[in-house]
Amino acid sequence: EVQLVESGGSVVRRGGSLRLSCAASGFIFDDYGMSWVRLAPGKGLEWVSSINWNGGSKGYADSVKGRITISRDNAKNSLYLQMNSLRDEDTAVYYCARVDGSGDLRRFDPWGQGTLVTVSS
Amino acid sequence: IQLTQSPSFLSASVGDRVTIPCRASQYIGSYLAWYQQKPGKAPKLLIYAASTLQSGVPSRFSGSGSGTEFTLTISSLQPEDFATYYCQHLSSYPFAFGPGTKVDIK
Repeated sequence: EVQLVESGGSVVRRGGSLRLSCAASGFIFDDYGMSWVRLAPGKGLEWVSSINWNGGSKGYADSVKGRITISRDNAKNSLYLQMNSLRDEDTAVYYCARVDGSGDLRRFDPWGQGTLVTVSS
Repeated sequence: IQLTQSPSFLSASVGDRVTIPCRASQYIGSYLAWYQQKPGKAPKLLIYAASTLQSGVPSRFSGSGSGTEFTLTISSLQPEDFATYYCQHLSSYPFAFGPGTKVDIK
C-alpha cells in the first residue's frame, strides 16, 4: 500500500525554525517527484514546494522563498521541509504529496494525513 | 499563472447536477487537476489532465475544458460529495491552486 506519513509539526515561536519529515512506503521513492502543500485556518490549499526525483530541480512559492528549503533522502525514502524565520502566516496543516505522472498527466497523488505547525508569539 | 474559482460557495441538493468552474490567467493546455477536500481530511485527487478520471473515483465526477476554461461536473450530487473542491495547474512552477468552491447542503 502506498503511504505517506508526515511528522515534525509542533508549536514554535515566531522567528523560530522547524523541520518537517515525510516517510514514504509502498512505492519506489526515487521514481517520483514530491511536494509540500499547506492548509492554513480558514484558507484554501497553498502549494509550498516541489522537488524532482533526485533533488536536482526545486520550486518554491513566493510566500516561502528564502525561508524554506525542500530536500529528500532517497536512501531513507524520506522528504523534508526545513522552515526558518517562521511567521504567523505559516501556521497551517502541512501535507506531503507524491507527484505522479509527467507532462500534462502530472498530478498530486496520494497525500499524507498532514502535520500541524502552529507559530505563536 | 493564477486560477480563479467562482462562486466560492455553492448550495445544492442531493441529486442535483453541479458544475464548478475554474479559470486560468494564462493558457495551460490540459495541465489541470481537481481535488476534493473534507474537513480534517487530506485532499483527494478526482481528475487530472483536465478530464481523466482518477482510478476509484465515482463516474458521476467528470472534468472538461482546456486552455484557460475548465469545469468539474458532478452529475448527481450524493451526500458524501459535500466538500470543498480545488483546481490546480501543473504546467510550471508555482503549481498554484484555485481558492476553492465549497459545496454545501441547500
